[in-house]
Amino acid sequence: DGGITQSPKYLFRKEGQNVTLSCEQNLNHDAMYWYRQDPGQGLRLIYYSQIVNDFQKGDIAEGYSVSREKKESFPLTVTSAQKNPTAFYLCASSILVTSSYEQYFGPGTRLTVT
Amino acid sequence: GENVEQHPSTLSVQEGDSAVIKCTYSDSASNYFPWYKQELGKRPQLIIDIRSNVGEKKDQRIAVTLNKTAKHFSLHITETQPEDSAVYFCAASIGWGKLTFGQGTILTVHP
Repeated sequence: DGGITQSPKYLFRKEGQNVTLSCEQNLNHDAMYWYRQDPGQGLRLIYYSQIVNDFQKGDIAEGYSVSREKKESFPLTVTSAQKNPTAFYLCASSILVTSSYEQYFGPGTRLTVT
Repeated sequence: GENVEQHPSTLSVQEGDSAVIKCTYSDSASNYFPWYKQELGKRPQLIIDIRSNVGEKKDQRIAVTLNKTAKHFSLHITETQPEDSAVYFCAASIGWGKLTFGQGTILTVHP
């Protein structure tokens, strides 16, 4: 399971608290992504970044924030403004070459907010 | 933006049968169509992908077909085995851009 890691695997928080999810990759990939997965649903894009110090909103960015200070790291903060934060969060990365568009996923973090 | 619809939501087959999952997309500019397999509680893993300049791609028991005119693509699994049981997702993107996923298909292969 090397290459792209997420920690912790399970995370529990009280409502009203901000929480930061870690995502690290040692694949030398340029782009990194955050997805949210709810039970019985597909993955929805929260934020993505194709270069250090730059990132774009995905389809459901409200209530989330990210930073990309290093190529290897793309942490996601779930703020208290996110109305339904309980979900499975997946980080992914990809190399920006025309020969491959594949996104590689991390093992995920299951966040429960009560 | 892109919208991807996936059918069926559940699929049950007997071991050895074939399974077909279909997806449609809305953005004619999309040119990359991957299929991911996700086992319970695990990360999605790419099983096959296809680009818009190719109509069909095969890898052992798995094949994907693409109809650009109709804007739909399908996953075909032949000689299914119990270990094929998982959730399968289709997706579409424009190159490295945002991947838009379908809702997923729960495939169950009965021994």
